[in-house]
Amino acid sequence: AQSVTQLDSHVSVSEGTPVLLRCNYSSSYSPSLFWYVQHPNKGLQLLLKYTSAATLVKGINGFEAEFKKSETSFHLTKPSAHMSDAAEYFCVVSNDYKLSFGAGTTVTVRA
Amino acid sequence: DAGVIQSPRHEVTEMGQEVTLRCKPISGHNSLFWYRQTMMRGLELLIYFNNNVPIDDSGMPEDRFSAKMPNASFSTLKIQPSEPRDSAVYFCASSDDSAIQNTEAFFGQGTRLTVV
Repeated sequence: AQSVTQLDSHVSVSEGTPVLLRCNYSSSYSPSLFWYVQHPNKGLQLLLKYTSAATLVKGINGFEAEFKKSETSFHLTKPSAHMSDAAEYFCVVSNDYKLSFGAGTTVTVRA
Repeated sequence: DAGVIQSPRHEVTEMGQEVTLRCKPISGHNSLFWYRQTMMRGLELLIYFNNNVPIDDSGMPEDRFSAKMPNASFSTLKIQPSEPRDSAVYFCASSDDSAIQNTEAFFGQGTRLTVV
């Protein structure tokens, strides 16, 4: 069985300040982990993925995430938020073909 | 490639009517997924095809829902009869490996279905 818990349903930051989105996972096997972003009325876009090659993963738009097996975490960070980062973010774990989505974290960016 | 293409983008229908959602996966991808997104339940996998064969349909809500993949470049999700509780955004996604581990899924723009 596998599951994902996103610890914050909503995060609000000021433009130019760091963003931290927290994700904990549960998996019976060595998982693949992803972060997807969904802008309003849009589809889901892959930000980054962890596939055991490196624990620190860099993605698009300045985002990165660190895989910590001991903490079963895969938190997403960005050093400086931009207005265009306002969206919903999903942490996803996969084993075999099934993607298990977290409930999502809505990010708002204040000017 | 244009990505995963879904049609229509929006659909409004009356309760009891048949609804058909369409998906064209990315060329060369051999896995196709239908997801449903609602506020209450988030993103749920409805059905997974691999090489045009349904592998896992355990997420299909009930017999009113059916999905087909007649060839590698086309899939449909049909709801008959539709009910207001079917209102949701339906996403199609595809990937290029039957074992999705290490392979991300590419999502379409979704179909927003409203049943009145």
